[in-house]
Amino acid sequence: TQLLEQSPQFLSIQEGENLTVYCNSSSVFSSLQWYRQEPGEGPVLLVTVVTGGEVKKLKRLTFQFGDARKDSSLHITAAQTGDTGLYLCAGDDNQGGKLIFGQGTELSVKP
Amino acid sequence: DARVTQTPRHKVTEMGQEVTMRCQPILGHNTVFWYRQTMMQGLELLAYFRNRAPLDDSGMPKDRFSAEMPDATLATLKIQPSEPRDSAVYFCASGHPRGGFYEQYFGPGTRLTVT
Repeated sequence: TQLLEQSPQFLSIQEGENLTVYCNSSSVFSSLQWYRQEPGEGPVLLVTVVTGGEVKKLKRLTFQFGDARKDSSLHITAAQTGDTGLYLCAGDDNQGGKLIFGQGTELSVKP
Repeated sequence: DARVTQTPRHKVTEMGQEVTMRCQPILGHNTVFWYRQTMMQGLELLAYFRNRAPLDDSGMPKDRFSAEMPDATLATLKIQPSEPRDSAVYFCASGHPRGGFYEQYFGPGTRLTVT
């Protein structure tokens, strides 16, 4: 069974701090997606990384796919209160669109 | 702005009652997924369809859950009879192939409480 482990599970920081969330697996994924979920809403797709070593930036968010396509990281620079939410990574195991989701990282950014 | 819609947003029912949740996928998306989210288990895949045909429903309790796509604009998830342990948020997502991989777009969810 393929698993994606996210760390940390919970993160509480002050506005302006930097943080990194990790997503690790022993399995290779054809692509990996990051989602953010706010309370009472569904997950919203942030980015998809496909190539080993790929780095994508979305304003203050930087996403990296590991060279071996087994792990990924999300780095947020100068966090803002609006970044608060549940961050989920999800790997595509090349079975026609089925995603394997990590347990999520609950981020709280305090003013 | 194309979105996945789900109804109802909230449902409170008594144990033993039938529950039907509905989802309208984004027009043009050929794959529809049903997930359940709880604090303990996180996001679990229940079933998914491609071009309205069921591909995998191994995540669903077969004796009480059923999922269908009567047409391309409607997916349904039914629970009969419902039990308190079914209390969770149920999400529908739709997706389409993009360069060899799929991206999934989630609806707002149906929060189900079974008493």
